Amino acid sequence: QQQVKQSPQSLIVQKGGISIINCAYENTAFDYFPWYQQFPGKGPALLIAIRPDVSEKKEGRFTISFNKSAKQFSLHIMDSQPGDSATYFCAAGNRGSTLGRLYFGRGTQLTVWP
Amino acid sequence: DVKVTQSSRYLVKRTGEKVFLECVQDMDHENMFWYRQDPGLGLRLIYFSYDVKMKEKGDIPEGYSVSREKKERFSLILESASTNQTSMYLCASRGAGLGTETQYFGPGTRLLVL
Repeated sequence: QQQVKQSPQSLIVQKGGISIINCAYENTAFDYFPWYQQFPGKGPALLIAIRPDVSEKKEGRFTISFNKSAKQFSLHIMDSQPGDSATYFCAAGNRGSTLGRLYFGRGTQLTVWP
Repeated sequence: DVKVTQSSRYLVKRTGEKVFLECVQDMDHENMFWYRQDPGLGLRLIYFSYDVKMKEKGDIPEGYSVSREKKERFSLILESASTNQTSMYLCASRGAGLGTETQYFGPGTRLLVL
């Protein structure tokens, strides 16, 4: 059973546009929701993360919106740039767990056209 | 900066060979993880470890084993490589406890089994 579902699988956006990637989770015990960014030939790296006590977190052009009742969260990339072209993974986990694992979505390949 | 290194970037092996993938982290992290990444399937957890000599199965452990004899080193072993194990393998590490949720990934090993 997939714990975190991510959509779309791929996304093409014009430079300057808004990129939106959505994720949904099942387990209400999750209390940590990060997004990872992966460039070709590199490992994923943490982009931004949110806890369920807030509904939105913004870092520069990147914003996470969180809807606890719907068990959904999304990544918004404002003013998308060609340099944002990468694969994005959402994830969910339990901060208090000693095992420390994350459950990842299947990823979204974002292409930003100049 | 946290550094996670993987022993090889590219590896070509024959069916039936025993394959060792090595991962080393330099941040004294308690938790280490092995994932495989395949197009459209995202990051799938194979095994993880929360302490020396301790291991937990992830979502797809079949055909793999792991070893963690030292805190900084986590090895993934393919006992008898098969063509369906051709994939990108990613290692990650993180600390234990609250505030250390970020997983730091290595650059990956692309394994081809012929």
